[in-house]
Amino acid sequence: EAGVAQSPRYKIIEKRQSVAFWCNPISGHATLYWYQQILGQGPKLLIQFQNNGVVDDSQLPKDRFSAERLKGVDSTLKIQPAKLEDSAVYLCASSFGVSEAFFGQGTRLTVV
Amino acid sequence: QKEVEQNSGPLSVPEGAIASLNCTYSDRGSQSFFWYRQYSGKSPELIMFIYSNGDKEDGRFTAQLNKASQYVSLLIRDSQPSDSATYLCASGSGGGADGLTFGKGTHLIIQP
Repeated sequence: EAGVAQSPRYKIIEKRQSVAFWCNPISGHATLYWYQQILGQGPKLLIQFQNNGVVDDSQLPKDRFSAERLKGVDSTLKIQPAKLEDSAVYLCASSFGVSEAFFGQGTRLTVV
Repeated sequence: QKEVEQNSGPLSVPEGAIASLNCTYSDRGSQSFFWYRQYSGKSPELIMFIYSNGDKEDGRFTAQLNKASQYVSLLIRDSQPSDSATYLCASGSGGGADGLTFGKGTHLIIQP
C-alpha cells in the first residue's frame, strides 16, 4: 500500500514570496490533515478535511495560509506571503474513519 | 486552549532497562491518546493508542491512562538503541479521525 505522498521535500524561499505544498493521501482515506511542525515542537494541526469539506481550520492563519482539497483526494496548502516564522516542516496525514493517521515525509520550508 | 505537556528531556536510559515517558493533558474532554515515535528528520509514526483507563500492552510497549489525573504514560521494556528517538504524546477528542493536539515530545536516548 502506497503511503502519503508529499512534494516538494524541501523548499527555500524569501520572505514575502508565496509557496505551495501538495499532498496525495492514502487511497480511500477520507480524512486529510495538514500539520505544521516547528523545530523542537510537536506538530500543530492547521486544517482537517473530511472528503472535500473543512472540519477544523481554527488554527490556520487565514490571512496568509489557504488550503483546498479538490474532489476529496489531493490537497494543496499555500502560504502567501511567507514570513520568517513560517519556517517549519509541513506534514500531511490521512486516516480512514477512526483508524490511526498516517503521516507523509513532510515538506521542509525555509524562509530567508 | 488544549495543551499536552511533556518533559523535553533528553531522557537517558541504559540498554535493556525500562524507559518511562510521561505526559499530562489539559482538556478533560479528550477521549483518545496516542504515542508517536519520531526519528530525526523523519515523520511521526504511531506506536500505540489508548482510550480507556488502565494499561494497554503491545509487545515491549505499555501505554497507561489515568483520566482522573489527566495523565498518560508509555513504558518501553528491554530498551534498545533503536528506540532512541523523540516520543510525541497526543490527545484527541474522539475517534482517531479527529485532529490531534501534540506535546513537544521527549527526546529518549538509549545508551548501549
